[in-house]
Amino acid sequence: AQSVTQLDSQVPVFEEAPVELRCNYSSSVSVYLFWYVQYPNQGLQLLLKYLSGSTLVKGINGFEAEFNKSQTSFHLRKPSVHISDTAEYFCAVSDIGRDDKIIFGKGTRLHILP
Amino acid sequence: DTGVSQDPRHKITKRGQNVTFRCDPISEHNRLYWYRQTLGQGPEFLTYFQNEAQLEKSRLLSDRFSAERPKGSFSTLEIQRTEQGDSAMYLCASSELTPEAFFGQGTRLTVV
Repeated sequence: AQSVTQLDSQVPVFEEAPVELRCNYSSSVSVYLFWYVQYPNQGLQLLLKYLSGSTLVKGINGFEAEFNKSQTSFHLRKPSVHISDTAEYFCAVSDIGRDDKIIFGKGTRLHILP
Repeated sequence: DTGVSQDPRHKITKRGQNVTFRCDPISEHNRLYWYRQTLGQGPEFLTYFQNEAQLEKSRLLSDRFSAERPKGSFSTLEIQRTEQGDSAMYLCASSELTPEAFFGQGTRLTVV
C-alpha cells in the first residue's frame, strides 16, 4: 500500500522569501503525485500534478514541484511567497494502473510572516 | 460545471443520532470518493464508487457507516448512532478519466 510523509507540520517563512515543502512517498508500483492546497474552512484545491513526462511540473499561483524517483520525493517550491499563500498544503499519491484511491499526507501549514 | 456540491455544510447532532450527508459530483464524473478529515490531519480515505458500484471501503469505515450511490449520480453517507469521535469534516470528491480528484467544500459534523 502506498503512503505519504510530509516531514514538516509547519513551515514559517517571510513574505517574498522562497519556500520548499517536503514530501516523500512509498509505493510498490509507479505512481501519480499531487499537491493540494486547503484554505481555512474550504475544500481541497488541486495545485499541481505529476502524471508522466517532465519531472518538473508547474502549477497554479507560481508553485512548482519536482518528481525524483530515486529519492521517492515530490517537493513543492515557490520562489517568492505572498501573504495569500497562507494555507495547509497536502501531498498525495495514487498508484498507476490500479483502480485505486488517492492517499494524502498529514499536511504542512505554511505561515507567511510579514 | 458547478463543481462538487455537498450538503449540508455544517451539522450538529446529539450523540446516538443518525445523520446523512449528500454529495453531488461534477456532472458525468463516474468516480466518487468520500474522505474524513480531523483537525490537523490530512484527508483519510473512507470509500469510493465507480458509477453505482462501491469498489473499496477503508477499515476506518465501521459498520455504523454506510454509503450509497444509486444510479451512479449523487451519493449519500450515513452515520448511525453517532459518537463524539465521529466529529470531523467529511469530504466528497469526484473524478472522470484523469487521475486527480476534485473536492467539494465538505460537511463539518459536530457530535455533542
